[in-house]
Amino acid sequence: QVQLVESGGGVVQPGGSLRLSCAASGFIFGDFGMHWVRQAPGKGLEWVAGIWSGGTSKWYADSAKGRFTISRDNVKNTLYLQMNSLRADDTAVYYCAREDVCPTVTCPLDNWGQGALVTVSS
Amino acid sequence: DIQMTQSPMSVSASVGDSVTITCRASHDIGKSLAWFQQKPGKAPKSLIYAASGLHSGVPWKFSGSGSGTEFTLTIKSLRPEDSAIYYCQQYDSYPWTFGQGTKVEVK
Repeated sequence: QVQLVESGGGVVQPGGSLRLSCAASGFIFGDFGMHWVRQAPGKGLEWVAGIWSGGTSKWYADSAKGRFTISRDNVKNTLYLQMNSLRADDTAVYYCAREDVCPTVTCPLDNWGQGALVTVSS
Repeated sequence: DIQMTQSPMSVSASVGDSVTITCRASHDIGKSLAWFQQKPGKAPKSLIYAASGLHSGVPWKFSGSGSGTEFTLTIKSLRPEDSAIYYCQQYDSYPWTFGQGTKVEVK
């Protein structure tokens, strides 16, 4: 079965950096687009970034542009989110999610990891 | 960016009732609309894709409809375990955007 397991969360000071990982198993990782979605405490869901199956195309929310970098290693079956210049409002649970395969250009999310908590605080 | 607006923000219903949640998009998104269920402390669960398609394993009590800018999620025969926050999300164009969520309480 599809498994997505995030790691790398923790407490970091404002201005600091953190790299999240999402280990994928149970499917051919290199065939699927992948995304990061976050949820601040008590708030709704916010899409952060997405990456095509081959890794050549990437998209970012305005809140992530210039500070976050999404990447993937299709040999290690792992998705990454490098987060720099972190701010207090980046505090959230970060979920990785798989984009389904479908006939249209963009496709829906179908599987989610359990999430990794990132706390930005001095 | 495409704005997604859900209504109501919360709804309370009794066991056996049905509820309908509405999601409106600020621009035409065709049928590129998904619905998710999230229970406290848990990851979201994918329910509906392409406005009306049911993900594998999702009970038939969940149904979606709509296209363009107006969409609905209906949950029939409510049970206490259906209590959750439900989110709509457009994947027509980047940046992908979510509605603010609708809290469903089943008494």
